[in-house]
Amino acid sequence: DQQVKQNSPSLSVQEGRISILNCDYTNSMFDYFLWYKKYPAEGPTFLISISSIKDKNEDGRFTVFLNKSAKHLSLHIVPSQPGDSAVYFCAAAGGKLIFGQGTELSVKP
Amino acid sequence: EAGVVQSPRYKIIEKKQPVAFWCNPISGHNTLYWYLQNLGQGPELLIRYENEEAVDDSQLPKDRFSAERLKGVDSTLKIQPAELGDSAVYLCASSLSWGSSGTGELFFGEGSRLTVL
Repeated sequence: DQQVKQNSPSLSVQEGRISILNCDYTNSMFDYFLWYKKYPAEGPTFLISISSIKDKNEDGRFTVFLNKSAKHLSLHIVPSQPGDSAVYFCAAAGGKLIFGQGTELSVKP
Repeated sequence: EAGVVQSPRYKIIEKKQPVAFWCNPISGHNTLYWYLQNLGQGPELLIRYENEEAVDDSQLPKDRFSAERLKGVDSTLKIQPAELGDSAVYLCASSLSWGSSGTGELFFGEGSRLTVL
């Protein structure tokens, strides 16, 4: 049973435009939600998080939105840059960290 | 500050052979994790240590997998015997105590890619 789902395996965006990565979850007891970024042959690195009591968190070009009623979160990257090309994992924390399947973002120059 | 160090980076073995992976966490991090990442999937927790104690090993296939964290620092994950389906990336991560933060911010190593032939 997949508690955290990323339904889009890939996303392609033009440089300078907005990238929107989506994630759905099933367990309303999660305390925190996080996004990790992974380059090939490297481990995932933490990008941004949001507490379950908030609906938005912003850090530079990255903003995470949480819609608890829909059990949905999204990561917005504005403006997108070629260096943002990577696999993005959403994760939910509630006793342990559960990851989604990942979305591969490709930002074209 | 050094990050999480894992070795070996790559390992190719034949099925039924044993294999071991080593992890050195970030200094001062009490919590250590081993994750399994299959191709096209997100990391899945195998085991979590708080200092020397394995506090969550519910997803560790104990018939063939074992782990230890002697002295609460380095850790070793072993598979014996390896099966074809064990081919994956094994990720080690560390964090400050999970219980005190609970935010899920982990620091991952580069992973050990295992290929079982």
